[in-house]
Amino acid sequence: TQLLEQSPQFLSIQEGENLTVYCNSSSVFSSLQWYRQEPGEGPVLLVTVVTGGEVKKLKRLTFQFGDARKDSSLHITAAQPGDTGLYLCAGPSGNTPLVFGKGTRLSVIA
Amino acid sequence: DAGITQSPRYKITETGRQVTLMCHQTWSHSYMFWYRQDLGHGLRLIYYSAAADITDKGEVPDGYVVSRSKTENFPLTLESATRSQTSVYFCASRRRAGQETQYFGPGTRLLVL
Repeated sequence: TQLLEQSPQFLSIQEGENLTVYCNSSSVFSSLQWYRQEPGEGPVLLVTVVTGGEVKKLKRLTFQFGDARKDSSLHITAAQPGDTGLYLCAGPSGNTPLVFGKGTRLSVIA
Repeated sequence: DAGITQSPRYKITETGRQVTLMCHQTWSHSYMFWYRQDLGHGLRLIYYSAAADITDKGEVPDGYVVSRSKTENFPLTLESATRSQTSVYFCASRRRAGQETQYFGPGTRLLVL
């Protein structure tokens, strides 16, 4: 079974700071997805990265897929309280459903 | 457009009782999933279904039963609830396998006393 390790588990920062969270695996993934889950809600897809080395931007969020397709990072510039939530990475594992990491819980303090 | 809905949103029950959590999606997605989310464990897959009348076990299937007689519905039944089944349960759907977006319902918060 392919595993996805996310770090850090918890992150608390002040509004305006920059941050990076990581998603790592010893296995190669054909693609990786990032989801954000806000308190009391289900996860919502932010982005899918497919090509090794790919960089995608979503406003202040920058997603990168590692060249070897074993890792991914999410960088947030000038974090805002609305960025607070649980960030999950997920990847397909053969013919079985998505494998999810345990997530990074981000708290942005105003 | 309703998307994917779950009911009830909150449920309190007692040990030993049977509980059914409902999930309904309006997109005619082939795949549907049930997860439980607990602190320290993340999202764990309970059961999934690739199409009507096809179901498969996930990571933590013990104590749960599913059925999928219609494409749009995927109920999850706890046959005899235990305290360890206290959790937040999420239903999800996806059009097909691969890189497709997976859509999650709002969750059901279940407390077993």
